[in-house]
Amino acid sequence: DSGVTQTPKHLITATGQRVTLRCSPRSGDLSVYWYQQSLDQGLQFLIQYYNGEERAKGNILERFSAQQFPDLHSELNLSSLELGDSALYFCASSAPRAGGPDEQFFGPGTRLTVL
Amino acid sequence: AQSVAQPEDQVNVAEGNPLTVKCTYSVSGNPYLFWYVQYPNRGLQFLLKYITGDNLVKGSYGFEAEFNKSQTSFHLKKPSALVSDSALYFCAVRDSSSNTGKLIFGQGTTLQVKP
Repeated sequence: DSGVTQTPKHLITATGQRVTLRCSPRSGDLSVYWYQQSLDQGLQFLIQYYNGEERAKGNILERFSAQQFPDLHSELNLSSLELGDSALYFCASSAPRAGGPDEQFFGPGTRLTVL
Repeated sequence: AQSVAQPEDQVNVAEGNPLTVKCTYSVSGNPYLFWYVQYPNRGLQFLLKYITGDNLVKGSYGFEAEFNKSQTSFHLKKPSALVSDSALYFCAVRDSSSNTGKLIFGQGTTLQVKP
């Protein structure tokens, strides 16, 4: 158990809908990262938050947004869903140094299926 | 741009034999390098990392990795494979000069250890 929790574990929805994925980082970790894992794209970095502020952006679509709250949990919002958004979404967290060499600890992921 | 290549989609090895999973990387500065393992329906689990210093890094479950700067490689090794090592392995890199924790992952290598 990494100490990172994600809810829900599974999500099935229809095209055009909006969903919210939730992540709680390990106790004391200030950085939260979101990654998307799909068969065709592999593991892709989406976005990083550090202590409530956006720190880095990757291949995140404009239909997707994220935020980190004062209690450090984070949410990833996916809207106007398309079939191609079906994937495993991981959250990870790391120790307080925003740019340090610390490893990231991954949650169990949320499997999103768009029908 | 940063990139990681894992040239083998799958590595097959007999239990008790040594194993190697290959990884090469490209970064503009000095690299931080990581290996993660993913078991079916689970999140990524950290194995080991290279930051600086000794080129041979030891990690969890008897795994080790050798950093080779001239060949820009970071191959994962284990002297004696176990059937329970069968899983999907990811190599990841980030530029040490970056102030973000963004990881770039390889496509992954499936390790199959046969009894």
